[in-house]
Amino acid sequence: AQTVTQSQPEMSVQEAETVTLSCTYDTSENNYYLFWYKQPPSRQMILVIRQEAYKQQNATENRFSVNFQKAAKSFSLKISDSQLGDTAMYFCAFAPSSGTYKYIFGTGTRLKVLA
Amino acid sequence: DTAVSQTPKYLVTQMGNDKSIKCEQNLGHDTMYWYKQDSKKFLKIMFSYNNKELIINETVPNRFSPKSPDKAHLNLHINSLELGDSAVYFCASSHPNTGELFFGEGSRLTVL
Repeated sequence: AQTVTQSQPEMSVQEAETVTLSCTYDTSENNYYLFWYKQPPSRQMILVIRQEAYKQQNATENRFSVNFQKAAKSFSLKISDSQLGDTAMYFCAFAPSSGTYKYIFGTGTRLKVLA
Repeated sequence: DTAVSQTPKYLVTQMGNDKSIKCEQNLGHDTMYWYKQDSKKFLKIMFSYNNKELIINETVPNRFSPKSPDKAHLNLHINSLELGDSAVYFCASSHPNTGELFFGEGSRLTVL
């Protein structure tokens, strides 16, 4: 069975600093997707970044980038130049690309950006 | 313009009552989901439908019954509500090529 582990329940970072959120997963699949979703206090789930397992290049979206280590089954999120609006719960998620449609979410990391 | 919309956004009801949450997506996706987010923010899949066919049913009590009249709609009916059903329920649909999940705004259910 696939699992997703986020070992940091809470983190804080000063505005304009850089923070890294950790995520590890376990799967026997070879092709899959990995995601980071953000859930601000408004509770809307927002896609931050997405990685396809067959791509070796790490995904980046503006201030957000990932460190994808397929062999180690690690998928960390780096937020650069943190902003107050980045304060949210961050969820790491896994989905096989084989069409089984079963997305697995980690337990989340609550990130607080301090002014 | 909303891609995935859920109604109602908030429900407050008494134990033992029955309630429904409706979900609609205008993205043309074939696959839709119901997720439950508990008070600790843990997101757990409940059901998934692909083109009106149930494909995932994750050990959810029989009091929960999903219905998909067409691939753009997935409704959730809950019978005999219990205190433990209090949660935020998210509807979502998935893009067939990118795998991205598109979420509705969530429906907060409070059972008193």
